[in-house]
Amino acid sequence: DGGITQSPKYLFRKEGQNVTLSCEQNLNHDAMYWYRQDPGQGLRLIYYSQIVNDFQKGDIAEGYSVSREKKESFPLTVTSAQKNPTAFYLCASRRQGTDTQYFGPGTRLTVL
Amino acid sequence: DQQVKQNSPSLSVQEGRISILNCDYTNSMFDYFLWYKKYPAEGPTFLISISSIKDKNEDGRFTVFLNKSAKHLSLHIVPSQPGDSAVYFCAARLLNAGGTSYGKLTFGQGTILTVHP
Repeated sequence: DGGITQSPKYLFRKEGQNVTLSCEQNLNHDAMYWYRQDPGQGLRLIYYSQIVNDFQKGDIAEGYSVSREKKESFPLTVTSAQKNPTAFYLCASRRQGTDTQYFGPGTRLTVL
Repeated sequence: DQQVKQNSPSLSVQEGRISILNCDYTNSMFDYFLWYKKYPAEGPTFLISISSIKDKNEDGRFTVFLNKSAKHLSLHIVPSQPGDSAVYFCAARLLNAGGTSYGKLTFGQGTILTVHP
């Protein structure tokens, strides 16, 4: 049963700490994406990766970092430099040659 | 600058009636459009899409219409069901000058649809 998993579902961190959000997919998709959603706003692109060992900044990359060491995994680190990190974070993947992105269940990050 | 806009934050319809969700865009280089449905605390799920070379695409109860001259698309749900109650996002793919997109999508703010029994 293929899909995208994100863990944990809810995450709390203290201000000033870095935190890493997990995203794993077994769909054999090449491209992966990270978005954040804030209340009343659409999804905004943080980072994306078309292939292993390559990734590009999206529209709101400041304060975030990613890695793509394996095709199946695209973890997102929210650093202490991110000024407003409390949000709902969504990971997505896409098969090359298509335009539909498939999303994971999301991680709700709350900074205390 | 919001290039994809869903100007109605919410919509309420009666079960069995038609739901019409609207989306406007400003960039004429958008060439592919998608609709996603999202329940609270879950990831969006893909509903239906349309290429800019078409003006209509239908899939069961869902139909998407595209008016390129008006830079407007709409999603029709007929008949509406209580299980359709969710947030609906439209998204657009932008082709760059080289003809690639890297699959990047620009999303609207979303419209909350409530279908009453």
